[in-house]
Amino acid sequence: DIVLTQSPGTLSLSPGERATLSCRASQSVSSSSFAWYQQKPGQAPRLLIYGASSRATGIPDRFSGSGSGTDFTLTISRLEPEDFAVYYCQQFGSAPRSFGQGTKLEIK
Amino acid sequence: EVHLVQSGGVVVQPGGSLRLTCAASGFRFDDYTMHWVRQVPGQALEWLSLISWDGLSTAYAGSMQDRITVSRDNSKNTLFLQMNSLRTEDTAFYYCGKDMRGAIGTWGQGTLVTVSS
Repeated sequence: DIVLTQSPGTLSLSPGERATLSCRASQSVSSSSFAWYQQKPGQAPRLLIYGASSRATGIPDRFSGSGSGTDFTLTISRLEPEDFAVYYCQQFGSAPRSFGQGTKLEIK
Repeated sequence: EVHLVQSGGVVVQPGGSLRLTCAASGFRFDDYTMHWVRQVPGQALEWLSLISWDGLSTAYAGSMQDRITVSRDNSKNTLFLQMNSLRTEDTAFYYCGKDMRGAIGTWGQGTLVTVSS
């Protein structure tokens, strides 16, 4: 099974700053089979990025995804107050599909 | 607009069974693979299952895989998750989702299942 390890566990930043979230896979993952989600308290997750770097419909361009193989990154170029949430990565190229444990992005 | 509306929260006793429903609207339901994901409160997401557009192909994972069955009724635009032999550790939010190129592009609002005596 592919294990996804996200780092850091918690990231404390201020609005306007740049956020870089990492997801490392225990085995190589096809870029087409990699996604990022955002989850706010009391809400269902929301798809941000699919195919490692394609933004889902309605996602602002301050969100970008990159990476390949075992290392993937979600970057938020300039944090807005509504961006503070938990972020999850997911791979679906190898069975069983798996999520990372999440990175909490909190206001500093 | 795409909507996935899930059945309401429920309390069930350990060892009991439960069927969750997810009603879809705003898209052609029978064109899409559908997913189930769960989340124990305060913990990470756990992918549980998927079913192909025609219901002929399914996949399962996780600690529930031997106790769950996914199905769909395309004539009623509805997705189901049958859960058996429930344990207290199965207490979680259960989400249905619509596939989008393998990812989960649209999510239901979630159903809180509480397993308790």
